[in-house]
Parts: sequence; C-alpha cells; structure tokens
Amino acid sequence: AQSVAQPEDQVNVAEGNPLTVKCTYSVSGNPYLFWYVQYPNRGLQFLLKYITGDNLVKGSYGFEAEFNKSQTSFHLKKPSALVSDSALYFCAVFPPQAGTALIFGKGTTLSVSS
Amino acid sequence: DGGITQSPKYLFRKEGQNVTLSCEQNLNHDAMYWYRQDPGQGLRLIYYSQIVNDFQKGDIAEGYSVSREKKESFPLTVTSAQKNPTAFYLCASRMGGEGQPQHFGDGTRLSIL
Repeated sequence: AQSVAQPEDQVNVAEGNPLTVKCTYSVSGNPYLFWYVQYPNRGLQFLLKYITGDNLVKGSYGFEAEFNKSQTSFHLKKPSALVSDSALYFCAVFPPQAGTALIFGKGTTLSVSS
Repeated sequence: DGGITQSPKYLFRKEGQNVTLSCEQNLNHDAMYWYRQDPGQGLRLIYYSQIVNDFQKGDIAEGYSVSREKKESFPLTVTSAQKNPTAFYLCASRMGGEGQPQHFGDGTRLSIL
C-alpha cells in the first residue's frame, strides 16, 4: 500500500536553531511531493513542492526541503526557527503513475520556544 | 481576493439529522476536494471532483454525499448514516494537474449535540 510517514509526532526546537521535520514515503514511480502548514482552526497553507530537478527546493517563509530518492525522503528544513513557525506540518505525496489523489502524512507538530 | 470560503465555521448536528457544509471558490479551479481531519490522523479524503457534474468517492465516503452542479460550489452533506461525524472538515481546490498545490478553506468544525 502506498503511504507517507512522518515519524515524529512533535518536534521541539529553540528559536534561532535549525529545524528539521522528517517525511518518508512508500509509493510507486516518481512522486510529486508537497509540504503544507496548518495553524490552529485554519486550513492548510502550501509551503513548497518537488516535482523534478534540483533536490533542494525552496519555499515560503524561509523553508526548504531536500528530496532524497534513494532514501525516499523529503525532509523539511529551516536554518533558523522562529516562534511563529510553531504549527502543524503535513507532508503529502502524489504518485502520478498510480494515484488519483494526494496521500497525506499524519502531521508533525513543531514547537519553537523563545 | 480570490479564495475558498467554507461555511458555517461551527456546526452542530442532532441525532438522525442530515447537515450540509458549504464550500465556494472564486479561483476558477476545476478540481475540488473534501477532507476529514481527526486529531493525530492527518487528512482523509471523502470525495473529490475533477469537473462539473462529476465526482468520485475517496477513502471514507460512506455516510457522506456531494454534488457539483457549478464549478465554484462543492457542498458536502453529512448524512445520519455517518455515525461518528464529529471532526474538522476541510475543502480544497486545485487548478491544473496534480503537480499543482491544493488551496484550502478554513474548515468547518462539526459536533454532535
């Protein structure tokens, strides 16, 4: 079965430190990869995507993500965390050869302390 | 401003009652989606529609129904057959192919009275 895993329910980091939110996937073919962020009682906001090309993609609010095909991972990163980055982060994958819709991970809560 | 509007923001359902959640978009997007969000479970797809007058079941369609009579509107009805409807419901839309991101509304929180 095709799936997306976010192995950490919560990530805690101090403001100013780098952050990483992990995502691995198990899908067929060459997937399209996305990161979204959700603030309390709001919808999801798109951060960035990888379709093809450079393995390091840059997105909104200073976030970036690194695609690693051999490890089937797409980890979200930011060099210096802000308190305002505290939110729920979702990784999502679309398998173009076999899919009909996005497959979402269960989400990782990022908590940035001041 | 273009966007997706979900209403109401909060909704309460009595036993045996059907309720309808509204989703309207003025982005001229072709595809629209309904997701259910439960704590710790991520987003699960209920229904989606790629074009007007056509829609497909997602992973958890039982107890739900939709219509797509207009491009801008994709209402979701939670029927009395859905025995555990308490959740946060999110509507999304997308322009172009699957490589494009989905745009989300701000959700409707449904609770049982």
